Amino acid sequence: EAGVTQFPSHSVIEKGQTVTLRCDPISGHDNLYWYRRVMGKEIKFLLHFVKESKQDESGMPNNRFLAERTGGTYSTLKVQPAELEDSGVYFCASSQGRREEGTEAFFGQGTRLTVV
Amino acid sequence: AQSVTQLDSQVPVFEEAPVELRCNYSSSVSVYLFWYVQYPNQGLQLLLKYLSGSTLVESINGFEAEFNKSQTSFHLRKPSVHISDTAEYFCAVRPSNRNDYKLSFGAGTTVTVRA
Repeated sequence: EAGVTQFPSHSVIEKGQTVTLRCDPISGHDNLYWYRRVMGKEIKFLLHFVKESKQDESGMPNNRFLAERTGGTYSTLKVQPAELEDSGVYFCASSQGRREEGTEAFFGQGTRLTVV
Repeated sequence: AQSVTQLDSQVPVFEEAPVELRCNYSSSVSVYLFWYVQYPNQGLQLLLKYLSGSTLVESINGFEAEFNKSQTSFHLRKPSVHISDTAEYFCAVRPSNRNDYKLSFGAGTTVTVRA
């Protein structure tokens, strides 16, 4: 079974440009999450989709970040325009739907974004 | 809200020596606790988790962690490490009694195992 897949693995862009990160969750997982780790600090929650709906986007830093999950399958995270402080590793994770099971989240390898 | 503190950012250790990675958390509600590991050039992988029941949980590769509610800790231990245990380890929590899936992570502990 394929795990969570993220594209690209690395991206270097100039300040002011636009970048789109993609995440393909594990098939059948309703929950999809985006997290970010900046400069060796904590991994911080960005947002949570349940199928195609945004359940919680309290961690999104500002309106330069736009996440979508069309059809409840893969998700994209667009940063427009990118700023230097957006550099970091962006992780995507997915999990099954039943909260009561304490179901673990499976993480992708992350996308390392560098804004220069 | 929850917060997680990993007290050591770097832990160098010799092969076959024991290691302990400390994790303390703060939460106003009951939580599930997790340890994730990130090996070089790989993604985060779940190492072990505490949901309920026995406070001592084990992984398949010899790690164990003990949930201590009174001390709000979930320290990770291994009695004898291997070179292959070199990785970054993250402690994480999330609420167990609310419709809240957000994981709160510590800053990570880098373990470097030397021969």
